[in-house]
Amino acid sequence: GDSVTQMEGPVTLSEEAFLTINCTYTATGYPSLFWYVQYPGEGLQLLLKATKADDKGSNKGFEATYRKETTSFHLEKGSVQVSDSAVYFCALTGTASKLTFGTGTRLQVTL
Amino acid sequence: EAGVAQSPRYKIIEKRQSVAFWCNPISGHATLYWYQQILGQGPKLLIQFQNNGVVDDSQLPKDRFSAERLKGVDSTLKIQPAKLEDSAVYLCASSPMGGANEKLFFGSGTQLSVL
Repeated sequence: GDSVTQMEGPVTLSEEAFLTINCTYTATGYPSLFWYVQYPGEGLQLLLKATKADDKGSNKGFEATYRKETTSFHLEKGSVQVSDSAVYFCALTGTASKLTFGTGTRLQVTL
Repeated sequence: EAGVAQSPRYKIIEKRQSVAFWCNPISGHATLYWYQQILGQGPKLLIQFQNNGVVDDSQLPKDRFSAERLKGVDSTLKIQPAKLEDSAVYLCASSPMGGANEKLFFGSGTQLSVL
């Protein structure tokens, strides 16, 4: 079945550091790929998405590129802020249109 | 725009008791989802409704879990009897049509502790 593997956290960075959170997936066909974020005390919300190979999703300075050859969708940001501290979930919808999540990666940004 | 509303926010029960969670999706959203998020894991889909019909309940433990969306609007998820392993956050989400590329809108969840 469909699955998503994320790098384990927590990831601790200083403000203005470069962020990469790795995500790889297993799915049949051509899934759509997503990053959702959960800020402390809030519900999950969509951060960005990409629906076909080589698409780049971007939002709030975050980017991720759909790489079919490596089955990856790594999340990057050039300069993180304290306000980016949250749990980040990689997810996909496969042929069943069911959203399957990874286990989440906690990011802690310090001053 | 009002978001997805869930209640209660927290619930503590003893094993073998029953519990119910309520969800009111965003107005006009046809698709409603219930997810279970166990600590340290990603959310797992329990059941998906399209209007008042069930689209996917393949991962719902039907011997103890039930869900309904009678009028195609709000929904209730029930656990009876609860087990220790049901301790989790129960998330409700909605989307306009349930398409594969659609954004899901999540509520804040109900945190259940089974003692």
